[in-house]
Amino acid sequence: SSELTQPPSVSVSPGQTARIACSGDSLPNQSTFWYQQKPGQAPVVVIYKDTERPSGIPERFSASSSGTTVTLTIRGVQAEDEADYYCQSIDSSGAWVFGGGTKLTVL
Amino acid sequence: QVQLVQSGAEVKKPGASVKVSCKASGYTFSNYLIIWVRQAPGQGLEWMGGISENSGSTNSAQKFQGRVTMSTDTSTSTAYMELRSLRSDDTATYYCGRMDYYMDVWGKGTTVTVSS
Repeated sequence: SSELTQPPSVSVSPGQTARIACSGDSLPNQSTFWYQQKPGQAPVVVIYKDTERPSGIPERFSASSSGTTVTLTIRGVQAEDEADYYCQSIDSSGAWVFGGGTKLTVL
Repeated sequence: QVQLVQSGAEVKKPGASVKVSCKASGYTFSNYLIIWVRQAPGQGLEWMGGISENSGSTNSAQKFQGRVTMSTDTSTSTAYMELRSLRSDDTATYYCGRMDYYMDVWGKGTTVTVSS
């Protein structure tokens, strides 16, 4: 099955821009989703279908892609954005694949 | 309001089975897929599979095939996930979620501990 690779951690200061990359061979062919998970809580989708943002998700969350890498960008990071972030796609067999997750630390 | 309410925490011995329920309310149950995702302590998210109440079709991750059964009960708008032959590495929080264009509603999770 396909794998999605994320950096284990990203650190930014408040107000700066955080970028979290997710790499995988299947990414150019399938939609990508991004989840935010805070400790002790269920995940929340922040991006779906590559670049769409659910209602209620701040505009500072966006995503882009280039080749086999997709990137979640959080502009003007706030303390409340500190969380684990996971990318997810679907492989050729229809199986969902999650990245290993990235811990975003707001310094 | 739209919500998914999951069953309570379970403690099981190795080799046993567990059946987690996920009761939907506030929407038409048959119109959406139910997805199951688990998370071992301190680890990432892992997709287990999904079920369409409308079509009755299921799709599960290869690693769980033969050991997992996903089902629904239309009369109670409840989805179930049964995992058999439990091992210690099945210790995790199990989440159900409603799938529209994305998983827009999640249960709070059910903790399953497998220990002798």
